[in-house]
Amino acid sequence: GAGVSQSPSNKVTEKGKDVELRCDPISGHTALYWYRQSLGQGLEFLIYFQGNSAPDKSGLPSDRFSAERTGGSVSTLTIQRTQQEDSAVYLCASSLGLGGTYGYTFGSGTRLTVV
Amino acid sequence: GQQLNQSPQSMFIQEGEDVSMNCTSSSIFNTWLWYKQDPGEGPVLLIALYKAGELTSNGRLTAQFGITRKDSFLNISASIPSDVGIYFCAAGTYKYIFGTGTRLKVLA
Repeated sequence: GAGVSQSPSNKVTEKGKDVELRCDPISGHTALYWYRQSLGQGLEFLIYFQGNSAPDKSGLPSDRFSAERTGGSVSTLTIQRTQQEDSAVYLCASSLGLGGTYGYTFGSGTRLTVV
Repeated sequence: GQQLNQSPQSMFIQEGEDVSMNCTSSSIFNTWLWYKQDPGEGPVLLIALYKAGELTSNGRLTAQFGITRKDSFLNISASIPSDVGIYFCAAGTYKYIFGTGTRLKVLA
């Protein structure tokens, strides 16, 4: 697609439920990144993919968080047993290569609210 | 861990004024980026810097990659109301860390 597409744009879930967030990167971009942005804060790195593999998962906050990427394209970030502290905007970005010659292109994010 | 110290946190300026913000780190980085984020949107890349000492412009925006590779600044000249938003610095190689942002408000 023309840009990075994320869905849903907003998600309200009850504490303890599982959620899946989807990212569709720019066509042909091999690298894909997930970041989290809490209210009024900067962006916190979660995980990145090069193709379908995830060489760096160091930012995932706990084992409740997981992500996968299939076909070198769409990625899904899954949060199990959501907690209120998981409420944030989850941003996905993609780049043509690792790091991207011109940085990343971000999607508009999924705003997750855990009640 | 690594972190970027971005300042100021927020600023109100009059339309037409110049704006300056900066980012510092205790670590050396090979790439510095500046992004702008509008409400409800993801950050959009403004300027990318790849070489220590590099000075790069993009319209009314000018950014520099510090010679020590531990800092960068962004200047906006002759600000206009649509410059309002949050500006983030970012630094890294393949994985970027982000500053906490400078919230800019322009008074017409």
